[in-house]
Amino acid sequence: QVQLQESGPGLVEPSQTLSLTCTVSGDSINSGDYHWSWIRQPAGKGLEYIGRIHTSGSTNYNPSLQSRVTISRDTSKNQFSLRLSSVTDADTAVYYCVKMCCGLWGQGTLVTVSS
Amino acid sequence: QAVVTQEPSLTVSPGGTVTLTCGSSTGAVTSGHYPYWFQQKPGQAPTTLIYNTNNRHSWTPARFSGSLLGGKAALTLSGAQPEDEAEYHCFLSLGGPWVFGGGTKLTVL
Repeated sequence: QVQLQESGPGLVEPSQTLSLTCTVSGDSINSGDYHWSWIRQPAGKGLEYIGRIHTSGSTNYNPSLQSRVTISRDTSKNQFSLRLSSVTDADTAVYYCVKMCCGLWGQGTLVTVSS
Repeated sequence: QAVVTQEPSLTVSPGGTVTLTCGSSTGAVTSGHYPYWFQQKPGQAPTTLIYNTNNRHSWTPARFSGSLLGGKAALTLSGAQPEDEAEYHCFLSLGGPWVFGGGTKLTVL
């Protein structure tokens, strides 16, 4: 059974960098022709695409976040990661890692930006 | 950036049929936009119902179906059940980034 699990600090100070990791079990992040994605959802609002990394290692980002976002992977640990720099309270949200093709979502992790 | 539009809210009677739509500011939605539909209940992660316009996952109830309708992607619920009350999100692949709609709050009443 494939599982995705987000991990990382739940509290980040303004202007700092948010860092999250998604650990994948039961599947390989560098096999096949798939995208591994980060999606977020502020409280009471809709879903927002952050970006994705392909099994080839290529990335694609939301243009509105592109200057602040980096998605990378560690194939030895079967993990992919999100870094979002210069955060503000507008970045407070539940962050999900997702294998979109196959309907696989992590449970989500709440990240609050506050001093 | 393109905008994806959904009805903010809809109501359906138990046993009734309702269609939710997903439009794009760039023009007609086609199968090449790979429309997806998600269901989200309060406090839970989204669940993917439909992918690539009209494909159900193994866990998707047969009463949900996806299609293209009038230049939009559509999600039709036939025979609504009380447990179908939820927020429904769509997304489209618009030549690079994926763009989500704002979501539709579906009430079964």
